[in-house]
Amino acid sequence: AQSVTQLDSHVSVSEGTPVLLRCNYSSSYSPSLFWYVQHPNKGLQLLLKYTSAATLVKGINGFEAEFKKSETSFHLTKPSAHMSDAAEYFCVVSDGSGANNLFFGTGTRLTVIP
Amino acid sequence: DSGVTQTPKHLITATGQRVTLRCSPRSGDLSVYWYQQSLDQGLQFLIQYYNGEERAKGNILERFSAQQFPDLHSELNLSSLELGDSALYFCASSVTGFAGANVLTFGAGSRLTVL
Repeated sequence: AQSVTQLDSHVSVSEGTPVLLRCNYSSSYSPSLFWYVQHPNKGLQLLLKYTSAATLVKGINGFEAEFKKSETSFHLTKPSAHMSDAAEYFCVVSDGSGANNLFFGTGTRLTVIP
Repeated sequence: DSGVTQTPKHLITATGQRVTLRCSPRSGDLSVYWYQQSLDQGLQFLIQYYNGEERAKGNILERFSAQQFPDLHSELNLSSLELGDSALYFCASSVTGFAGANVLTFGAGSRLTVL
C-alpha cells in the first residue's frame, strides 16, 4: 500500500533563509514522487518529479529534493526563501499505474516572513 | 495560465440542487482527472477519463457523475447537493492515461459553495 506523510502542516521561515519541507512515503513498488505547489486561488503546479533517475532532483524556482530510499524520504529544500515562495506544498507518491494510485499528502503551508 | 480551463470559477447554490462543472484539458492531453479539495478531506481523487473512456475511479459519490466528450472536454455533474459538497473542484490533464508516470497539469479550480 502507498501513502505519503508531510511531517509539518505549517512551516514559517524568514526571507533569505533556507527552506525545508519534509515528506516521508510508503510504497510497495519503486515509486514516482512529485512535489506540487499551490498558490492562493490557483491550481497546483509541478515543482519537480523523481522517477528513478538521479536521486537529487532539481525543480523550478530554485527548489530541489533528494530521494533517500533508506529513509523513505523525499524532502523539499531551497537555499534561500523568497516572498513569492509563500504557498501550500504537496508531496505526491505514485506506483506509476493508475490515477487511483496517485496519493497526495495533506500539504504544508509555507509562510515567508519579510 | 496552465492551459487547463475550468468554468465556472465560483458557484453558489442551494442544497438539493444540481450543478455542472466544465473542464477543457491542455491542448494535446488525452486524459482528464477530477479532484475535490476540502479543508477536512484534503485533495481527493474522484475520477479519470482517457480519450472518452473512464480509466479510474476514486472516492466519487454516487450522486456525482462525469463524462469526457469527443472533443476531450469533460463535465462533472454534482446532484442532490449537500452542505458537505462545498469544496474546490480541480480538473487536471495529462498526455497519457498513466498518472504516476506523467505530470498532471491542473486548472485553477471551481469553487462550489452549497448553502
